Amino acid sequence: AQSVTQPDIHITVSEGASLELRCNYSYGATPYLFWYVQSPGQGLQLLLKYFSGDTLVQGIKGFEAEFKRSQSSFNLRKPSVHWSDAAEYFCAVIADNMLTFGGGTRLMVKP
Amino acid sequence: DTAVSQTPKYLVTQMGNDKSIKCEQNLGHDTMYWYKQDSKKFLKIMFSYNNKELIINETVPNRFSPKSPDKAHLNLHINSLELGDSAVYFCASRGSANTGELFFGEGSRLTVL
Repeated sequence: AQSVTQPDIHITVSEGASLELRCNYSYGATPYLFWYVQSPGQGLQLLLKYFSGDTLVQGIKGFEAEFKRSQSSFNLRKPSVHWSDAAEYFCAVIADNMLTFGGGTRLMVKP
Repeated sequence: DTAVSQTPKYLVTQMGNDKSIKCEQNLGHDTMYWYKQDSKKFLKIMFSYNNKELIINETVPNRFSPKSPDKAHLNLHINSLELGDSAVYFCASRGSANTGELFFGEGSRLTVL
């Protein structure tokens, strides 16, 4: 069965600093990978997705993620964080018609 | 127009009661889901329906019964509510098989007193 691990439960960065959120997956076949963001009290919004092709994918709000098969990773990055990026971030893998989420990483942004 | 809409957004009720949460999607998608998000923000799939047929039923108490009158609707009925049922319940839908992303509703926060 597929699984997703987000090793960092909380991350705090200063506004303007760069960000990397880690995601590792376990799945036997080619994974279809996603990053979702959940702002406080809100639903989940898709940031970006990877299906095939270029391993560096661009998303909304200036986010990007890189798929590394050798490391079973799909880390999310942003070069300069804004205060409005403070939220919960979820990595997910889809297989057998089911989306499996990681435990989430809460991002806090210091002024 | 909201793509995936859930009602109610907030629900506060007593233990032992029966309640329903409704979900509708206007995206023309074939597959719909219910996810439960607990107090630690962990998201776990509960059910999935494809064209009104149940295709995923994870380990969920049989007090939870999904109903899909048509492929645009997937309602969740919960009998004999317990304290541990308090959570945020998210409905989602998906179009393309395997590769399409899920579109989520805004969630329904259920509080059982």
